[in-house]
Amino acid sequence: GEDVEQSLFLSVREGDSSVINCTYTDSSSTYLYWYKQEPGAGLQLLTYIFSNMDMKQDQRLTVLLNKKDKHLSLRIADTQTGDSAIYFCAEGESSSNTGKLIFGQGTTLQVKP
Amino acid sequence: EAQVTQNPRYLITVTGKKLTVTCSQNMNHEYMSWYRQDPGLGLRQIYYSMNVEVTDKGDVPEGYKVSRKEKRNFPLILESPSPNQTSLYFCASQEGAVSPLHFGNGTRLTVT
Repeated sequence: GEDVEQSLFLSVREGDSSVINCTYTDSSSTYLYWYKQEPGAGLQLLTYIFSNMDMKQDQRLTVLLNKKDKHLSLRIADTQTGDSAIYFCAEGESSSNTGKLIFGQGTTLQVKP
Repeated sequence: EAQVTQNPRYLITVTGKKLTVTCSQNMNHEYMSWYRQDPGLGLRQIYYSMNVEVTDKGDVPEGYKVSRKEKRNFPLILESPSPNQTSLYFCASQEGAVSPLHFGNGTRLTVT
């Protein structure tokens, strides 16, 4: 079945760039998503990319998609302490109409002042 | 404000005592779903609904029931909770099958 994998932890200094990586298995995924979860809160949609795009930029966020390698990355420029959270990569299950997203385990981003 | 509202936020109960977690969305979305989040396992879909009176099992439906009598509401029912259902539960809605999920703030359930 479909699978999404991410590294579990990333630590950066405030002001540096953060890059969170993700690999997925479903080559027919239509959309790929990045969600952010702050402590005690739900998952907030950060951004998403359509599978026919290579890159999407939204203010400090840049998403890169390498469809050949099934690799997705999220770059956060000028990382701030408020960016500390868990980041989830997810792919849509395009082979069915369930609406289900397959989530990675989440990457905990720690931003040191 | 567009949102998904689930209640309660925290719930502690005992094995076998029936409970319901409510979920409501105000975006007129067709799809609604329930996920559980467990350490090391990420989020897994429990049940989903494509429209009123249309529901189906997700990946981990055992021990759960749902209903969709109205478009805006999608309650999760645990008829006889067990300790292995201790988890963080999220309700979500989406416009269509390939649309982004909009999540509620979560319900942390503890079953003793």
